[in-house]
Amino acid sequence: DAGVIQSPRHEVTEMGQEVTLRCKPISGHNSLFWYRQTMMRGLELLIYFNNNVPIDDSGMPEDRFSAKMPNASFSTLKIQPSEPRDSAVYFCASRAGGSSYEQYFGPGTRLTVT
Amino acid sequence: AQSVTQLDSHVSVSEGTPVLLRCNYSSSYSPSLFWYVQHPNKGLQLLLKYTSAATLVKGINGFEAEFKKSETSFHLTKPSAHMSDAAEYFCVVSVPLYNFNKFYFGSGTKLNVKP
Repeated sequence: DAGVIQSPRHEVTEMGQEVTLRCKPISGHNSLFWYRQTMMRGLELLIYFNNNVPIDDSGMPEDRFSAKMPNASFSTLKIQPSEPRDSAVYFCASRAGGSSYEQYFGPGTRLTVT
Repeated sequence: AQSVTQLDSHVSVSEGTPVLLRCNYSSSYSPSLFWYVQHPNKGLQLLLKYTSAATLVKGINGFEAEFKKSETSFHLTKPSAHMSDAAEYFCVVSVPLYNFNKFYFGSGTKLNVKP
């Protein structure tokens, strides 16, 4: 299996622009997570999908952030409009069902907003 | 309430000496516990996991961890550190919540290995 795939790996954009991050989970996994990692705040869970349905979006910072999972093999995280404080590494992770199943992380997207 | 505490934000050891990274958890349920490692500019990789079977869990790269329910701890150890072990380590607790699972990440411990 190719693992969790994220694109792009790096994104540099100007403040005010729309940014879309993409994730392809591991085939057969039914849960998907979006995380943000910064030096200041560490690793933060943004949103958690189970069977394509958002279960917990309490970590989404504000209305500028939105996430979708139209099918089991694809998810997007969109920031509109982007701000410099959104600069971070965004990770996607997926897992199979059951409490003992671990999350598999993608390589991350490094976002820089200037 | 559920939580994970990694007691040390930074640990520094010399190559060839033992490693101890501490993790304590709080959970109202029987948790599953994980340790992940993150090398610089990389994603998180699973080191090992505890899922209510043997309390001493062996993982990759010579790491192991022992689940101690009485102490609510899941400390990560390695007998002899290698330079390539320099990374950040995260302790994670998974608990059932309603009809799904909630994950709680520790704040991370950065391991420095000196030559």
